[in-house]
Amino acid sequence: GAGVSQSPSNKVTEKGKDVELRCDPISGHTALYWYRQRLGQGLEFLIYFQGNSAPDKSGLPSDRFSAERTGESVSTLTIQRTQQEDSAVYLCASSLVGTSGETQYFGPGTRLLVL
Amino acid sequence: LAKTTQPISMDSYEGQEVNITCSHNNIATNDYITWYQQFPSQGPRFIIQGYKTKVTNEVASLFIPADRKSSTLSLPRVSLSDTAVYYCLGDTGRRALTFGSGTRLQVQP
Repeated sequence: GAGVSQSPSNKVTEKGKDVELRCDPISGHTALYWYRQRLGQGLEFLIYFQGNSAPDKSGLPSDRFSAERTGESVSTLTIQRTQQEDSAVYLCASSLVGTSGETQYFGPGTRLLVL
Repeated sequence: LAKTTQPISMDSYEGQEVNITCSHNNIATNDYITWYQQFPSQGPRFIIQGYKTKVTNEVASLFIPADRKSSTLSLPRVSLSDTAVYYCLGDTGRRALTFGSGTRLQVQP
């Protein structure tokens, strides 16, 4: 079946602009995760959704970052007033029920470049 | 929290067996060890998961000794397409995965 998809695949923006990144998880997966990956580094956790609720937002780096999920499906990560240090690949993953240690399925990511 | 340590990079040649060892000295009783693979410009992909002894699937084998303070991912007869970053993850008890910097495997012809 279809995997996790993300859009746009690439985004170039100017410092101070807002951006929205979209994630379409695997159908039927109740858990959804956002991660950030800077060049040459591992992934940093940002936020986790169980259904449409976000019980763990501990990874969001500042109040410029927010995310929502609707219909227990699509999620949007919004970065307001972007800064150059926000440049990274933003990865979305989903899993069936969201238990610890459960396999997560990742999308291809959105490459964000803030000029 | 099972903090993991693995080599930054490894080189190999096609057809060889590659073993990547990960240390996790403070692994908890309930922790699993999971390995993910990431190709350039792609998201990570689950490879294998184990608790103790040996686990094998169509992609790799995972060896975990009795003390569980380390684990070894074994890739049999690697090919150029196995060039990737391999992440060893300790189960943190949280739903989110905790990634380190991983091991960059470069397979040469």
